[in-house]
Amino acid sequence: AQSVTQPDIHITVSEGASLELRCNYSYGATPYLFWYVQSPGQGLQLLLKYFSGDTLVQGIKGFEAEFKRSQSSFNLRKPSVHWSDAAEYFCAVVMFSGGYNKLIFGAGTRLAVHP
Amino acid sequence: NAGVTQTPKFQVLKTGQSMTLQCAQDMNHNSMYWYRQDPGMGLRLIYYSASEGTTDKGEVPNGYNVSRLNKREFSLRLESAAPSQTSVYFCASSLGQGVVNTGELFFGEGSRLTVL
Repeated sequence: AQSVTQPDIHITVSEGASLELRCNYSYGATPYLFWYVQSPGQGLQLLLKYFSGDTLVQGIKGFEAEFKRSQSSFNLRKPSVHWSDAAEYFCAVVMFSGGYNKLIFGAGTRLAVHP
Repeated sequence: NAGVTQTPKFQVLKTGQSMTLQCAQDMNHNSMYWYRQDPGMGLRLIYYSASEGTTDKGEVPNGYNVSRLNKREFSLRLESAAPSQTSVYFCASSLGQGVVNTGELFFGEGSRLTVL
């Protein structure tokens, strides 16, 4: 069955530092992968997605992610973190079941940003 | 720009009570979903509706029922609430059947439910 693992529960970085959030997936074929962000008290917002093609995808708010099939990974990166990036980040993969597609989420990584 | 609207935002129940969480979207989306969010477990799919008139179970459907009232509305009902159902519930919608066609789910702001 498809699954998503985010190894880091909490990450703290200094403002202006670079960021990498890890995501590993389990899936037999080419996966459809997503990163979502959840600000405190809010719903989730799509940052970026990968379906096929260029393995480096650009998203909103200066984020990017790279799909690496050999490592079953889809890590999220940002070169310089801003205090407003403090939030919880979720990696997700599409699960195909019964003719319908459903989104399966990882447990999330909570990002804290020090000034 | 309402998007996905959930009500109520907060609710406290006693064990055994029933309640319904309401969700409505104004984006003419075909698919709607109910997720629950628990610390350290991410979001888990409870039920989904790929199109009007259809519903199906997700990962954690036990203790819940849903109704796709029309294209706009998708409600989640707890018939006999249990403390294990204390959680934050999110409704979401997407344009196509499933997520792949558009690649994006649109989420409501969540409903925080506490069962005592």
